[in-house]
Amino acid sequence: DTAVSQTPKYLVTQMGNDKSIKCEQNLGHDTMYWYKQDSKKFLKIMFSYNNKELIINETVPNRFSPKSPDKAHLNLHINSLELGDSAVYFCASSHGLAGGGGELFFGEGSRLTVL
Amino acid sequence: AQRVTQPEKLLSVFKGAPVELKCNYSYSGSPELFWYVQYSRQRLQLLLRHISRESIKGFTADLNKGETSFHLKKPFAQEEDSAMYYCALRSGDKIIFGKGTRLHILP
Repeated sequence: DTAVSQTPKYLVTQMGNDKSIKCEQNLGHDTMYWYKQDSKKFLKIMFSYNNKELIINETVPNRFSPKSPDKAHLNLHINSLELGDSAVYFCASSHGLAGGGGELFFGEGSRLTVL
Repeated sequence: AQRVTQPEKLLSVFKGAPVELKCNYSYSGSPELFWYVQYSRQRLQLLLRHISRESIKGFTADLNKGETSFHLKKPFAQEEDSAMYYCALRSGDKIIFGKGTRLHILP
């Protein structure tokens, strides 16, 4: 019974294309996040949503547009992909902002490779 | 600025030897600190939080405000401890992660 699920797990695409990654959680959480993990394994927060409302936008290029149709879903759309966008993107969810007690529940990650 | 520093990218330790994964933080205020772990082919998950003062899988971490540190320790390493470990800090509405340390337990 998957708690936080992301699709696709792997995505290989050409520079300049537009792609989306979807995330769904069945934990009943009200807050969802996108994190980017670069090739050096550095995890950096990109966005967070609480009850479908954008809370955090960490100076991410506006080619990245998150969308939260409801509390259980947070999708990430990326326009005009660049080589530097290659990374693993992690979705996470929590009960309350910053996980209340700090506990985030992560998806398995979506590895994006831009050629 | 809020920051979490993990100085070691890789730490190799023999099985049965003590483990210490270093973490230092920069935060103006009372910090909330955590350790997360990612085992091979598993999701990143919370290991422990300083508020709970708990021992999980034999690991403990003590918050030292004077040294602004939150090092993760285990007296006797086990092979199943091999994983990527992230120290994290709660800053307002977000959790900030360090760059991670890969712990490799040698047989």
